[in-house]
Amino acid sequence: DVVMTQTPVSLSVSLGGQVSISCRSSQSLVHNNGNTYLSWYLQKPGQSPQLLIYKVSNRFSGISDRFSGSGSGTDFTLKISRVEPDDLGVYYCGQGTQYPYTFGAGTKLELK
Amino acid sequence: EVQLVESGGGLVQPGRSLKLSCAASGFTFSNYYMAWVRQAPTKGLEWVASITNSGGSTYYRDSVKGRFTISRDNAKSTLYLQMDSLRSEDTATYYCTRSHTIDYWGQGVMVTVSS
Repeated sequence: DVVMTQTPVSLSVSLGGQVSISCRSSQSLVHNNGNTYLSWYLQKPGQSPQLLIYKVSNRFSGISDRFSGSGSGTDFTLKISRVEPDDLGVYYCGQGTQYPYTFGAGTKLELK
Repeated sequence: EVQLVESGGGLVQPGRSLKLSCAASGFTFSNYYMAWVRQAPTKGLEWVASITNSGGSTYYRDSVKGRFTISRDNAKSTLYLQMDSLRSEDTATYYCTRSHTIDYWGQGVMVTVSS
């Protein structure tokens, strides 16, 4: 199985600040078809997860450009700029390149 | 608007069965892979099973293989998860999700396996 390692486990940020979350996979996430199926999700307290970024760097419908994804192969990063109160919650990376699909353990974003 | 609405959760004894349903709307259901993802209380996300758009192929995590069955009825735009021989470690909120990229999630349904 592909192991997804997310760091840090938690992050404190001031409103308006910028943060980065790292996600590393134990194997390359490049699919045979050339796509890299690495996604980022945010789970706000008491809610279902929501997709933010798919295929490494593509923002999902309605997602602010304050969220950006980058990376390749086995190393990926989510950056959030100008943090707002609605950004708080747990962020997960996930891979859909090979079964079983796997997720990172999550990064909790809190206010400083 | 894409909507995924799960139902069928509840409290069940170990070894018993439960069937979850997910009613989909707002998109052409038969065009999309679908999947179930679960989350144990206070834990992270865990993919459970996926099914191709036609239903011709299914995929499972090892811990549920032989016990869970994912299926779909494209005429009814409904996804199912038949869960047999339930164990305490299956206790979780189960989310119905859409597509290969897991783009949309339902609100989740709680399954508690306990005597």
